Amino acid sequence: NAGVTQTPKFRVLKTGQSMTLLCAQDMNHEYMYWYRQDPGMGLRLIHYSVGEGTTAKGEVPDGYNVSRLKKQNFLLGLESAAPSQTSVYFCASSYDYRGNEQFFGPGTRLTVL
Amino acid sequence: GQSLEQPSEVTAVEGAIVQINCTYQTSGFYGLSWYQQHDGGAPTFLSYNGLDGLEETGRFSSFLSRSDSYGYLLLQELQMKDSASYFCAPRGGTTDSWGKFQFGAGTQVVVTP
Repeated sequence: NAGVTQTPKFRVLKTGQSMTLLCAQDMNHEYMYWYRQDPGMGLRLIHYSVGEGTTAKGEVPDGYNVSRLKKQNFLLGLESAAPSQTSVYFCASSYDYRGNEQFFGPGTRLTVL
Repeated sequence: GQSLEQPSEVTAVEGAIVQINCTYQTSGFYGLSWYQQHDGGAPTFLSYNGLDGLEETGRFSSFLSRSDSYGYLLLQELQMKDSASYFCAPRGGTTDSWGKFQFGAGTQVVVTP
């Protein structure tokens, strides 16, 4: 099993450009999450999903949109990138609704110039 | 409100024991998770405490006291590979806290020869 995978691993954008980050999991987990991690800081929840077709806002949702059309995939979109969105983005999934044990992808390093 | 505190850095020598404390205030609290993250890597799950007391997993142990809103992670027989950031992550169970997963800023553990 691949676990949680993320595409791409690295990306550089110019201010105002858009992009989509893809997260895929092969563990049949219902729950999926998108986090961002800035230097010296913990993980902050952007959006999450409790099942196919459902999404909800986390702690820092502004400037991001998500979609969960298939159970195994969770997409994170940036419609108009800003330098403040320069960060490392982690996707995670869990089998339990409480998310006690979350499985993380390798991360996407995004730089917005 | 919600709050979370853990030390920013701990340094110890190989073979020593390190204790990372975590104090929290989380609405609807029901348990405390711990994660490890090496530089440039993804967080990985270490342990979860749903009940008061000590949970042991090999060289690592985790403790929870609900009445004190306090927990700790104990790293024994430190090895160089234990140099990493360690995050405590209180879990909340109410509708209000569901979208507010908390990850602390992390404790950087530096193991020296």
